[in-house]
Amino acid sequence: DAKTTQPNSMESNEEEPVHLPCNHSTISGTDYIHWYRQLPSQGPEYVIHGLTSNVNNRMASLAIAEDRKSSTLILHRATLRDAAVYYCILYNAGGTSYGKLTFGQGTILTVHP
Amino acid sequence: ETGVTQSPTHLIKTRGQQVTLRCSSQSGHNTVSWYQQALGQGPQFIFQYYREEENGRGNFPPRFSGLQFPNYSSELNVNALELDDSALYLCASSLTVLQGYTFGSGTRLTVV
Repeated sequence: DAKTTQPNSMESNEEEPVHLPCNHSTISGTDYIHWYRQLPSQGPEYVIHGLTSNVNNRMASLAIAEDRKSSTLILHRATLRDAAVYYCILYNAGGTSYGKLTFGQGTILTVHP
Repeated sequence: ETGVTQSPTHLIKTRGQQVTLRCSSQSGHNTVSWYQQALGQGPQFIFQYYREEENGRGNFPPRFSGLQFPNYSSELNVNALELDDSALYLCASSLTVLQGYTFGSGTRLTVV
């Protein structure tokens, strides 16, 4: 499985933007970049995914480097509800790993009021 | 959308026993996956079912087995429980992986 590297923790203030980085230098051409987050006492929640182009949805934006070796999840205005563990995951739909999301340690995001 | 529901929410079992965990997928989702999450760790993939057939498996021994039913609900069975099986077990369903998985809140299993 291609690996991702994320900072162990980050802090932000409420209503400020948050940029969560992820390095994935061994990404293959068919790996999608997925982001999930896990709030305390809950299962993971899908946030966003992309392949090559930047993506936006109602929750966040995903900026993907031109060489695809890194990406950044952007929360435009952090709220207290955004405090969670954020996981950056590479997903390849083909082969024997079909369906397998490989979660790392993730980044613990703390949001201060 | 009703989301993914799992039962029970908490369970205590004795080493050597067998356990069955249940999951109701989100309406319309034909793919279900199971994950094990130890305390302080990210979830680890156990296996996935698509239309009642297992089509992906992680590094878990055969004593971890599953079923998916025609209504797309699912079971995870674990035989010969070991202390290290104590974890949060998560069920996730999807129509396609690229649309993202919807996870349940999990079953907390404690093996004593």
